Amino acid sequence: GESVGLHLPTLSVQEGDNSIINCAYSNSASDYFIWYKQESGKGPQFIIDIRSNMDKRQGQRVTVLLNKTVKHLSLQIAATQPGDSAVYFCAENSEDTGRRALTFGSGTRLQVQP
Amino acid sequence: NAGVTQTPKFRILKIGQSMTLQCAQDMNHNYMYWYRQDPGMGLKLIYYSVGAGITDKGEVPNGYNVSRSTTEDFPLRLELAAPSQTSVYFCASSYSDEKLFFGSGTQLSVL
Repeated sequence: GESVGLHLPTLSVQEGDNSIINCAYSNSASDYFIWYKQESGKGPQFIIDIRSNMDKRQGQRVTVLLNKTVKHLSLQIAATQPGDSAVYFCAENSEDTGRRALTFGSGTRLQVQP
Repeated sequence: NAGVTQTPKFRILKIGQSMTLQCAQDMNHNYMYWYRQDPGMGLKLIYYSVGAGITDKGEVPNGYNVSRSTTEDFPLRLELAAPSQTSVYFCASSYSDEKLFFGSGTQLSVL
């Protein structure tokens, strides 16, 4: 899951297994959530997003689950492939002191073992 | 479409020097953002703009300035570079304030 600090939490999975990456958010007023994938030396790439009026959304091989009761977000990747190895960030959007912009978590590194 | 283009990709500055990080987008997005990413950390918002002529401070604006004279361009200025500004800088744009498209980043070292 997400944590603050110099060392990214790492999730190591076998190729073909399903991956679950977790994210806790703190702002109960957040109404939009998004997952990004960042490969080494590149900018973040959009994976999937979800609004607070939904609790599940599916894409191609990915599913995002939102539990507003416990302020928890998860990204599920089906049949994980070596190309999925990257750092994954969740981000939330909420009105905060008059500013509405994405606030990012610190990321989780996914390592896919062949 | 080229998307979001950042230049330069790498730069080394001496303490006290100044420089401008360039960012351009060709998607006609109104919203543009500058984030910095320190090693092993998430992205922190420096400045953002909701349209030409409008800029606002983000979470960590000290030591930086921006301008937005056109929809396409959103340069980030460092006036007196400090070691604490060593980071990777990402520019992003979006149609609204949600799904952002990121550039490939500028790696800056201040020595």
